[in-house]
Amino acid sequence: NAGVTQTPKFRILKIGQSMTLQCAQDMNHNYMYWYRQDPGMGLKLIYYSVGAGITDKGEVPNGYNVSRSTTEDFPLRLELAAPSQTSVYFCASSYAPPQIDKQYFGPGTRLTVL
Amino acid sequence: SQELEQSPQSLIVQEGKNLTINCTSSKTLYGLYWYKQKYGEGLIFLMMLQKGGEEKSHEKITAKLDEKKQQSSLHITASQPSHAGIYLCGARVSGGGADGLTFGKGTHLIIQP
Repeated sequence: NAGVTQTPKFRILKIGQSMTLQCAQDMNHNYMYWYRQDPGMGLKLIYYSVGAGITDKGEVPNGYNVSRSTTEDFPLRLELAAPSQTSVYFCASSYAPPQIDKQYFGPGTRLTVL
Repeated sequence: SQELEQSPQSLIVQEGKNLTINCTSSKTLYGLYWYKQKYGEGLIFLMMLQKGGEEKSHEKITAKLDEKKQQSSLHITASQPSHAGIYLCGARVSGGGADGLTFGKGTHLIIQP
């Protein structure tokens, strides 16, 4: 199994541009998550999904959108990129809810908005 | 305010020495996780604790969750260079709305030869 994969690994955007961060998992996990990690800070939850067709906001959803059309894929869309969105983005997945099952993390996407 | 407080923020330890990292919450913790992150990489799962008083060990790393489920500690015995990295605690916190994990800011561990 490849586990959780993320593309791209690095990206530089100009203010106002848009992009989609890709995330895929091959473990047939129901739950998928997007986190961002700012320097010196813990990870903060952006969006999560408990299954195909179901998504919900996390702690810091503003400026982002997600979709979950399949069990495997959970892309994160940035519209009108802003410098405040410069961060490292991690996708994660789990079979069951976070209080009973560990999350598997992807390698991350490092995004810079200039 | 940060729901999960980790201490210390950074730690420099001589190789072979023992060390402890703490993770404290003002609320009850459910599904407490310890992850390790190497600089510039993703998170690697270390251990999960669910029950108050639970203790788990893997190789030279031991994690405990106190009886009240509001604090966890990670102890490394006879540290090695391979232990260097950022240690993050993550948990489902009581009263948390979203179905994800709350994370501490991390503890940067440096092992001096």
